[in-house]
Amino acid sequence: GENVEQHPSTLSVQEGDSAVIKCTYSDSASNYFPWYKQELGKRPQLIIDIRSNVGEKKDQRIAVTLNKTAKHFSLHITETQPEDSAVYFCAASKVGKGDMRFGAGTRLTVKP
Amino acid sequence: NAGVTQTPKFQVLKTGQSMTLQCAQDMNHEYMSWYRQDPGMGLRLIHYSVGAGITDQGEVPNGYNVSRSTTEDFPLRLLSAAPSQTSVYFCASRRKRSGLHEQYFGPGTRLTVT
Repeated sequence: GENVEQHPSTLSVQEGDSAVIKCTYSDSASNYFPWYKQELGKRPQLIIDIRSNVGEKKDQRIAVTLNKTAKHFSLHITETQPEDSAVYFCAASKVGKGDMRFGAGTRLTVKP
Repeated sequence: NAGVTQTPKFQVLKTGQSMTLQCAQDMNHEYMSWYRQDPGMGLRLIHYSVGAGITDQGEVPNGYNVSRSTTEDFPLRLLSAAPSQTSVYFCASRRKRSGLHEQYFGPGTRLTVT
């Protein structure tokens, strides 16, 4: 089955700096890659996603890039704010298939 | 819409007891999944379903059973609880239709096995 690896496990940045989280996947047939944010004690919530027919997608301060050849994708957060502090998860799945596999998560801390 | 609901929110079991975690969604989603979340290990897939009457195993299925008799409900059964099953359990659902991939999570059930 699909295996998703995520790095780093923890990331600390100063407010206003950029943060980058990277993931790799093993199944070349995977074609849908979402990113979820989970605040303490809450459920994960989708913040951005990308399909394999697109190389980059941006939504205000967050962006995701995908390299299908290398089987890796990354989350970029610019101008970080303290409210960006949370655990971020990447995931991979195949459109039309029921299982979605997650990385181990990155705890992002944004220091004011 | 209530979205994805889970009951109970908290549960304490003794080793060897059995119980069922309930999950329901009112969005008419075809796909439903159960995950467990342990510190440093992310969300690991236990079982999933692509429709009523169809279930499949995920990464960590041992010790758990599921069934999907209706589109709305996807209960998770612990057959004989073990301390290793202490975790937070999330149920999730999403549409099958292309272009509507977002997976919605329930609020979670925090289970402690003593």
